Amino acid sequence: TQLLEQSPQFLSIQEGENLTVYCNSSSVFSSLQWYRQEPGEGPVLLVTVVTGGEVKKLKRLTFQFGDARKDSSLHITAAQPGDTGLYLCSTSGTYKYIFGTGTRLKVLA
Amino acid sequence: DVKVTQSSRYLVKRTGEKVFLECVQDMDHENMFWYRQDPGLGLRLIYFSYDVKMKEKGDIPEGYSVSREKKERFSLILESASTNQTSMYLCASKTQALGPGSTQYFGPGTRLLVL
Repeated sequence: TQLLEQSPQFLSIQEGENLTVYCNSSSVFSSLQWYRQEPGEGPVLLVTVVTGGEVKKLKRLTFQFGDARKDSSLHITAAQPGDTGLYLCSTSGTYKYIFGTGTRLKVLA
Repeated sequence: DVKVTQSSRYLVKRTGEKVFLECVQDMDHENMFWYRQDPGLGLRLIYFSYDVKMKEKGDIPEGYSVSREKKERFSLILESASTNQTSMYLCASKTQALGPGSTQYFGPGTRLLVL
């Protein structure tokens, strides 16, 4: 069974700081999704990465897929309180998705 | 926009009660999923359905059953609720089986407390 490990588990930073969170596996991903889940809500898809080495940008968020497709990172530039939430990575098997345990980010004003 | 709705945001039930959680999606998606989310354990798949009246067990189906009588609706049933079923329950739907363009859309979740 493929496992996704996310790090760090918790992160508390000041507004304006930069941060990077990671998603790693011992297996190769076919594709990888990043979600953000705000308190009391369901996860919302941020991005899907497919190609090894791929970099995608979503405003202040930069997503990178490792060359070997076994790891991914999410970098946030100049974090804002609205970035607060649980960041989840996920990959798909046959009909099923596997989720990491997430990184809980808190951005303090 | 895709919309996945869940019948309740919060539920409080007693041990032994039968509990129904309803999920409805409005995008004609073939596939629907039920997860539970617990601190430190992430999202775990309970059941999924790839068509009307079709269902498959996920990773933790024990103590749960599901029903998919209509394409847009997927119900999760706790036959006899227990305290270890206290959790956040998330429903999701998606079209097509696999592929990078295949995205799961989640509902807002139901937070269930079993006393």
